[in-house]
Formats: sequence, C-alpha cells, structure tokens
Amino acid sequence: AQKVTQAQTEISVVEKEDVTLDCVYETRDTTYYLFWYKQPPSGELVFLIRRNSFDEQNEISGRYSWNFQKSTSSFNFTITASQVVDSAVYFCALIFSGSARQLTFGSGTQLTVLP
Amino acid sequence: DGGITQSPKYLFRKEGQNVTLSCEQNLNHDAMYWYRQDPGQGLRLIYYSQIVNDFQKGDIAEGYSVSREKKESFPLTVTSAQKNPTAFYLCASSIRGFSTDTQYFGPGTRLTVL
Repeated sequence: AQKVTQAQTEISVVEKEDVTLDCVYETRDTTYYLFWYKQPPSGELVFLIRRNSFDEQNEISGRYSWNFQKSTSSFNFTITASQVVDSAVYFCALIFSGSARQLTFGSGTQLTVLP
Repeated sequence: DGGITQSPKYLFRKEGQNVTLSCEQNLNHDAMYWYRQDPGQGLRLIYYSQIVNDFQKGDIAEGYSVSREKKESFPLTVTSAQKNPTAFYLCASSIRGFSTDTQYFGPGTRLTVL
C-alpha cells in the first residue's frame, strides 16, 4: 500500500522568510514518482515538479528547491524568501511504476504568507 | 491556448437529482481522470480513462458514472446514489496515462447539494 503524509496542516510565515514543507511517503515499489502541486485559492492544481525514485539529486527552480532523500523516504519542498503570492495549499503526491491509475495524495499543507 | 476546461464552476443540486460535470481538454492527451477533494483532504480518484470508449473505476466510484465517447471529453455524472456528493471535483489529463506522465488539472467544479 502507498501512503503520503504531510504532517504540517497549516504553516504561517512572514514575507521573505524561508519555509520548508515536509512530505514523507511509504511504498513497497522500487520505481515510483513523486510530485508537488500547488493549489491557490482559485482551486486549480498547478504542477510544480516530478522526481523519479532513481534520481536523488536535489533540484532548484528560482525560489523553489526540493530535497529528495530515499533513506528517509522524504521529499521536502523549500520556498526561499517567501512572498504573499506563495499562499496556497501544497500537495505532495506519489505514483508507482506500472500504475496507470492514480496519484496518491497527501492531505496538503496550507501555507499562509503574511505581508 | 491548450488546457483543460471544466464547467460549470459552481453547481447546486437538489437531493435525488443527477448532475453532469463537464471536462474538456485540447492537449491531445489520451488519458483523463476525475478526482474528488473534500475539505482538509487530498484528492481521491473516482474514474480514469486511458483511451476512448474505455474507463476504469478508481477508489471511490460508487454513485458516479462516466463516458468517454471522444478523446477530448470525459463527463462525470453524479447520481442520486452518491450519499455525500458535496465536494470539489477536479478533472485531469496526461499524455498517455503512464505513471511516468504528469497529470495536469483543470480549474474544478464545486458541487453543493441543497
């Protein structure tokens, strides 16, 4: 069985602070893919990143960075110098190889960036 | 512009009525999906389709039905058999439906049962 845990239900930070969103996953498969999506108040899920289980290189995209550690089954997301526009719900998700079906989502972290 | 459209944005239904949610994509994707989101929870899969005229149940298919007569369209019907249909419904598509493919989402439909 697969499971994705986002233990942080809500986080509030002040603008320009750095913030890390945690994601821990469980899967018995050796080949799988991890995702982060952003859901702003409008509701649409916006794709941010996809990682496969064989690529543990960390990735940076502008103010966003991702730390993938198989040893701890974690795929954490850091926003540097947060901005008010970063306020949203962020979801971590998992899909294993061979599954054409579904993403397994975490319950999401509501991030509020205060001005 | 390529993308996924869902209509209506808000939908109100009386108990005992069936309603149909529309999902259209012009990304030329083979696979389409329907997810349900409840407050404070992640998304759960209702149905998915990898090819025209074929679809499979997800984890919470009871009380829902779908059709896939055209590649671009994947409407979802919420039937009166769905006990608690009030939720946010998201449609997604991916290029082939493989696990390696990213799923892209539409703007969603918020359904409220009165």
